[in-house]
Amino acid sequence: GESVGLHLPTLSVQEGDNSIINCAYSNSASDYFIWYKQESGKGPQFIIDIRSNMDKRQGQRVTVLLNKTVKHLSLQIAATQPGDSAVYFCAENNAGGTSYGKLTFGQGTILTVHP
Amino acid sequence: DGGITQSPKYLFRKEGQNVTLSCEQNLNHDAMYWYRQDPGQGLRLIYYSQIVNDFQKGDIAEGYSVSREKKESFPLTVTSAQKNPTAFYLCASTGGDGEKLFFGSGTQLSVL
Repeated sequence: GESVGLHLPTLSVQEGDNSIINCAYSNSASDYFIWYKQESGKGPQFIIDIRSNMDKRQGQRVTVLLNKTVKHLSLQIAATQPGDSAVYFCAENNAGGTSYGKLTFGQGTILTVHP
Repeated sequence: DGGITQSPKYLFRKEGQNVTLSCEQNLNHDAMYWYRQDPGQGLRLIYYSQIVNDFQKGDIAEGYSVSREKKESFPLTVTSAQKNPTAFYLCASTGGDGEKLFFGSGTQLSVL
């Protein structure tokens, strides 16, 4: 119905706290997962990715955890800053390496960081 | 600067009109994609092209058409058959390492 998608999950944190954003994916055949950050009126920005043969991957201030048993993905942001405020999307790919850009996106989570 | 350029930023369509959204990339990427985003929702794949002169339908291709005559360009036409065209349209590409989908800045299409 019309209300689908209008009630995004939200996460509100204080500056300096660690943030954890969760995502449940749908396809057990997916073998590549990505997190994107999207600011209002802009295109999504790549944050970090992980392949299904890994459980954890770290970047600068970010860590992605993958639990294939329960089909769960999480994004951890350390020392969250006001500039991290945005909508965060997880995405999965099950094209088996033939077309990495064919992604299925989650609904998104709104992160708000208070100074 | 290398990147993906979408134009226009804002576009208005009259009922029964076809409109074309432009997407150009200078990243030398082989594959290009069009996604649609509705308010408060994730992105959905409309069409994609992995090589010049070839393209495939995505999950919501009805009411849309594309062409891929040049590697750098992948325009999307929103036809009059698309009854609910109001959305944010995002063009993207993958290349070099095959992964890491890069997005343009988007076109907001609205109906007058």
